[in-house]
Amino acid sequence: GNSVTQMEGPVTLSEEAFLTINCTYTATGYPSLFWYVQYPGEGLQLLLKATKADDKGSNKGFEATYRKETTSFHLEKGSVQVSDSAVYFCALRGGGGADGLTFGKGTHLIIQP
Amino acid sequence: NAGVTQTPKFRVLKTGQSMTLLCAQDMNHEYMYWYRQDPGMGLRLIHYSVGEGTTAKGEVPDGYNVSRLKKQNFLLGLESAAPSQTSVYFCASSYIAASGGYNEQFFGPGTRLTVL
Repeated sequence: GNSVTQMEGPVTLSEEAFLTINCTYTATGYPSLFWYVQYPGEGLQLLLKATKADDKGSNKGFEATYRKETTSFHLEKGSVQVSDSAVYFCALRGGGGADGLTFGKGTHLIIQP
Repeated sequence: NAGVTQTPKFRVLKTGQSMTLLCAQDMNHEYMYWYRQDPGMGLRLIHYSVGEGTTAKGEVPDGYNVSRLKKQNFLLGLESAAPSQTSVYFCASSYIAASGGYNEQFFGPGTRLTVL
């Protein structure tokens, strides 16, 4: 079956530091890949997505590239802000029809001023 | 547009009680989903629906039932609540892509349920 593995946190960085959150996946076929962000007390919001190999998703300074050869979708940002503190989930959607998303366990990111 | 809304936001139940969680979306989406979120577990799919009148089991369906009588609503029922069902429940919806690709899901704010 499908699975997503992402680095466990918490990850603590100083403001303006470079961020990488690793995500690797196992899936049959050609899944679509997503990063969602969850701020305290809120639901999940889509941060970015990529639907085929070599696609790069980007939003709000975050980027991730769909690497089929390494089955990875690592999240990066060049200079983090305190407001980026949240839980980040890597997810995939694959197979046929309207199956739900398969999520990683989430990475808690803490940015210190 | 309100997007995806969930009712109630919080609930405390005693073991054995029943309740229904309501999810509503105003985006005319075909697909709707129920997930539960537990610490260190990410989100896990409970049930989903591909259209009005249809439902299907997800990864963790035991102890839950669902109904989709109207396109915009998706109900999650707990017939006899157990402490293991203490969790945060999220509803999500999604639309059919013209290209056939897989689209993102839009999430509600969640319902925090405690079963004593």
